[in-house]
Amino acid sequence: EAEVAQSPRYKITEKSQAVAFWCDPISGHATLYWYRQILGQGPELLVQFQDESVVDDSQLPKDRFSAERLKGVDSTLKIQPAELGDSAMYLCASSRTPTGQETQYFGPGTRLLVL
Amino acid sequence: RKEVEQDPGPFNVPEGATVAFNCTYSNSASQSFFWYRQDCRKEPKLLMSVYSSGNEDGRFTAQLNRASQYISLLIRDSKLSDSATYLCVVNGNPANAGNMLTFGGGTRLMVKP
Repeated sequence: EAEVAQSPRYKITEKSQAVAFWCDPISGHATLYWYRQILGQGPELLVQFQDESVVDDSQLPKDRFSAERLKGVDSTLKIQPAELGDSAMYLCASSRTPTGQETQYFGPGTRLLVL
Repeated sequence: RKEVEQDPGPFNVPEGATVAFNCTYSNSASQSFFWYRQDCRKEPKLLMSVYSSGNEDGRFTAQLNRASQYISLLIRDSKLSDSATYLCVVNGNPANAGNMLTFGGGTRLMVKP
């Protein structure tokens, strides 16, 4: 069964440092999502791509977060500089299309700890 | 007010029990509804979609009440392996571009021997 790949699985960094997370969606999935999940809460969407274009980044803190999907396949999410409050699980998901009934498949996530 | 609200639990039930989770959503234009399951320190996985007519998948039954903006999940004959967090998920307003899912905070279930 095809899966969404993410790396690294765990990341510990100090505040003010830069961090980057990578995601490779299921092959053929045009839509890619980045979510942030704080412990004890549900995931919250940060950014959504359709192919290489950003569809929704209204919840992305653009002063420190950036995301790209240059060739419309894999994607990178960057935080610079990291802050203590950024400690969370960062989940990538993909779906074939952006329509409402399409299942979103999640990767294993990157657990970030900012010290 | 949160867009999708759930009782965080935990619900502690014995094996074989029937347990029900409820969820309310605030956006009346929402079109699609789901229950996801998330095991500890793992990613969410789709458990089932929720249809207006109600739907069943083995021991799991999901129901939707659009008038009350209320979704439910019923688990019969609980197994130890059902222990997890259950996330209520609502698809955003179709007038917006994309397929934005809004997650509830999750309800934690612990099934005990």
